[in-house]
Amino acid sequence: EAQVTQNPRYLITVTGKKLTVTCSQNMNHEYMSWYRQDPGLGLRQIYYSMNVEVTDKGDVPEGYKVSRKEKRNFPLILESPSPNQTSLYFCASSLLPSSGANVLTFGAGSRLTVL
Amino acid sequence: RKEVEQDPGPFNVPEGATVAFNCTYSNSASQSFFWYRQDCRKEPKLLMSVYSSGNEDGRFTAQLNRASQYISLLIRDSKLSDSATYLCVVNWGIGTDKLIFGTGTRLQVFP
Repeated sequence: EAQVTQNPRYLITVTGKKLTVTCSQNMNHEYMSWYRQDPGLGLRQIYYSMNVEVTDKGDVPEGYKVSRKEKRNFPLILESPSPNQTSLYFCASSLLPSSGANVLTFGAGSRLTVL
Repeated sequence: RKEVEQDPGPFNVPEGATVAFNCTYSNSASQSFFWYRQDCRKEPKLLMSVYSSGNEDGRFTAQLNRASQYISLLIRDSKLSDSATYLCVVNWGIGTDKLIFGTGTRLQVFP
């Protein structure tokens, strides 16, 4: 089944404790992206990647890191989480958007709480 | 002006009703337009792309008005299962890979 898998789905952590949210897709998509969703603000892009070893900042990259060492994986790293990073996170992938086929497939979401 | 703007709703409609949502976008260079559906606490899923000439998929009709910079979604014969948040998504111009999401319009269909 074609899918985007992200883990963990739920996580409660404390301020400053590094964490990684994994994302993996099995559709051979070049494009991958991380979003956070907060009430009243909609989906905001954190980072995206056009291909292996190519990553770019989205609209709200502060406090986050990503890597794209393999085409299928795009982990989101919070080096020192803070309470304002409490949010619902989605990973998504697609063929290259500029190809005109930019239909995003989303993972099921990761709900992160930072105390 | 927000890049992509939607009425948050909620739109409360009875089963069988016809309901329409609009979404305005600020960048006249935008080329690709989509409606996504998001159920509560779930991931967004593509409902339909929006083509220049308008397009229909069963009870759903999407239209694009470039002159006024808005897209619309019409749902006919609403079902209880249509209750969800509908997200408008717009790409940010020619040759760009950036997608902008609206904050969504919530629809609640009641019996």
